[in-house]
Amino acid sequence: QSALTQPASVSGSPGQSITISCTGTASDFGGYNLVSWYQQHPGKAPKLIIYEVTKRPSGVSYRFSGSRSGNTASLTISGLQTEDEAEYYCCSYAGVGIYSLFGGGTKLTVL
Amino acid sequence: QLQLQESGPGLVKPSETLSLTCTVSGGYISGSPYFWGWVRQPPGKGLEWVGSVSYSGNTYYNPALTSRVTVSVDTSTNQFSLRLGSVTATDTAVYYCARLSPIYGDYFDFWGQGTLVTVSS
Repeated sequence: QSALTQPASVSGSPGQSITISCTGTASDFGGYNLVSWYQQHPGKAPKLIIYEVTKRPSGVSYRFSGSRSGNTASLTISGLQTEDEAEYYCCSYAGVGIYSLFGGGTKLTVL
Repeated sequence: QLQLQESGPGLVKPSETLSLTCTVSGGYISGSPYFWGWVRQPPGKGLEWVGSVSYSGNTYYNPALTSRVTVSVDTSTNQFSLRLGSVTATDTAVYYCARLSPIYGDYFDFWGQGTLVTVSS
């Protein structure tokens, strides 16, 4: 099973919005709407920022939002801030036998 | 607040078995609806799910690793463990333990700080 496909890098200026895509096959998503997103700063553990495609855990900024269309999930960050500069990973639940499948990661640079 | 902490050797010889333990504090594994699992990250690379376990001991493994991996739980010590056999240099990674969501275990909501395991003679 290959990783989900994410762009290697995206960039934006403070205050702007960016979107990170996460593409797979139908089997990569297993017929479920169970996609999560993680933010990872260098040398730190990943942090959950979106689960079940659109839900935000308590304490995560409203500037982070998720969506999905077909076999592509997306993470949008609005009102970019310098502290948003990090690596972002998507993850899908692919069903019994495969379970959790991560994307390759996207490096966000805030210029 | 739930906390997870990995422990184990930082250096393992090729062909030997990597063993790590995750100690959970601020909550209990026993009777909880959550899954508990391991994710690894080779230096400079992305995340890879390794395997997960329920409090009752049901296990779920990455198909690419299933022949070499064992994840187990010890509710008496509030710990769960990872064993990865026949390791090679490609198993060198930061290994994170994490709590997974109930029902499907589809997202990881609490993470340990991670521990680097290097496979080298």
